[in-house]
Amino acid sequence: DIVMTQTPLSLSVTPGQPASISCKSSQSLLHSDGKTYLYWYLQKPGQPPQLLIYEISNRFSGVPDRFSGSGSGTDFTLKISRVEAEDVGVYYCMQSILLPLTFGGGTKVEIK
Amino acid sequence: QVQLVQSGSELKKPGASVKVFCKASGYTFTSYAMNWVRQAPGQGLEWMGWINTNTGNPTYAQGFTGRFVFSLDTSVSTAYLQISSLKAEDTAVYYCAKRLGHSFDYWGQGTLVTVSS
Repeated sequence: DIVMTQTPLSLSVTPGQPASISCKSSQSLLHSDGKTYLYWYLQKPGQPPQLLIYEISNRFSGVPDRFSGSGSGTDFTLKISRVEAEDVGVYYCMQSILLPLTFGGGTKVEIK
Repeated sequence: QVQLVQSGSELKKPGASVKVFCKASGYTFTSYAMNWVRQAPGQGLEWMGWINTNTGNPTYAQGFTGRFVFSLDTSVSTAYLQISSLKAEDTAVYYCAKRLGHSFDYWGQGTLVTVSS
């Protein structure tokens, strides 16, 4: 199985400041079709996860442009340019190049 | 608008069975696979597998074979997760999630299954 490792485990951010979360996979997520199957989800307290970013860097419908994704191969980053109160929750990366689909352990973001 | 509405919380005794439903609306049910994801209390997300809503063919992740069964009733756009011989470690929130490409775009609200004597 592909292991997804997220760092840090938690993050405390002042509103308006940036935040960055790293996700590393145990093998490359680049498919022979040229796409990289790396996704980011946010699970707000008491809610199901919601899709933020697909295929490294594409924002899902309705996701604010303060969220951005980058990376390649096995190393990926989610950045929030200016954290807002509504961004609190646990962020997960996920790979879908190989079954079983696997998630990172999560990064909890809270507001200072 | 797309909605996945799941059944309510369940409290079951060890050894019992439970069947969770996930009713879809706002899209063509048979056009997108349905996935199931487990989240144990205070833990992360674990993919359980998926079911092809066109053929009914299920795929189970390792660790979710035998006691876990995915099924469908396409006439009412509903997917089901049945768990038999429940154990305390099955206590978790179970989510259904609609597939989009190689990911999930919409999730149900989750169903808490508690297994306790």
